[in-house]
Amino acid sequence: QKEVEQNSGPLSVPEGAIASLNCTYSDRGSQSFFWYRQYSGKSPELIMFIYSNGDKEDGRFTAQLNKASQYVSLLIRDSQPSDSATYLCAVNIGDSNYQLIWGAGTKLIIKP
Amino acid sequence: DAGVIQSPRHEVTEMGQEVTLRCKPISGHDYLFWYRQTMMRGLELLIYFNNNVPIDDSGMPEDRFSAKMPNASFSTLKIQPSEPRDSAVYFCASSLQDSPLHFGNGTRLTVT
Repeated sequence: QKEVEQNSGPLSVPEGAIASLNCTYSDRGSQSFFWYRQYSGKSPELIMFIYSNGDKEDGRFTAQLNKASQYVSLLIRDSQPSDSATYLCAVNIGDSNYQLIWGAGTKLIIKP
Repeated sequence: DAGVIQSPRHEVTEMGQEVTLRCKPISGHDYLFWYRQTMMRGLELLIYFNNNVPIDDSGMPEDRFSAKMPNASFSTLKIQPSEPRDSAVYFCASSLQDSPLHFGNGTRLTVT
């Protein structure tokens, strides 16, 4: 059973601090890793994707991938109250870029 | 870019009734996905299409569920007959090849 694990939270972070979200996956063949943000009652929206080991930065967001340890993380710098949402990690299965396994999500709360 | 458009936004129906959910993907996207999201099971891929052809329907829970994509700009997900356990938010998403998913706003289905 291929799985993606996330701490459900809630993770509470003070405004302006760094929020760190983690995700582990079981399929060693996975090649594509995605972070989506979902506000309550809304649809998931893409934040970051990463395919290679190491860090990928986009504005306040940094995705980190370590395939040897089978984890991917998302760092949010200078956290804002508007970052409060559930963050979903998705990982592809095997050779397919379209078969994604989704984590249950981590609820992030940024406290002003 | 109008995004992925789903209708209806909300559907309330009685057990045993037929339900049809509709989706218009982003123009030019050649992949279309139907997902279901519940608190208990999270996001689950039901089926996806490539160039209007169903590629993988292994996530369709049972024969009561069917999906069609008669052309590049329209897809339906049908549940017949509906049951209370089908109550969930159903998302349609589309993408280009090897690109991240773009989700519609979802249809919240309640079966009483």
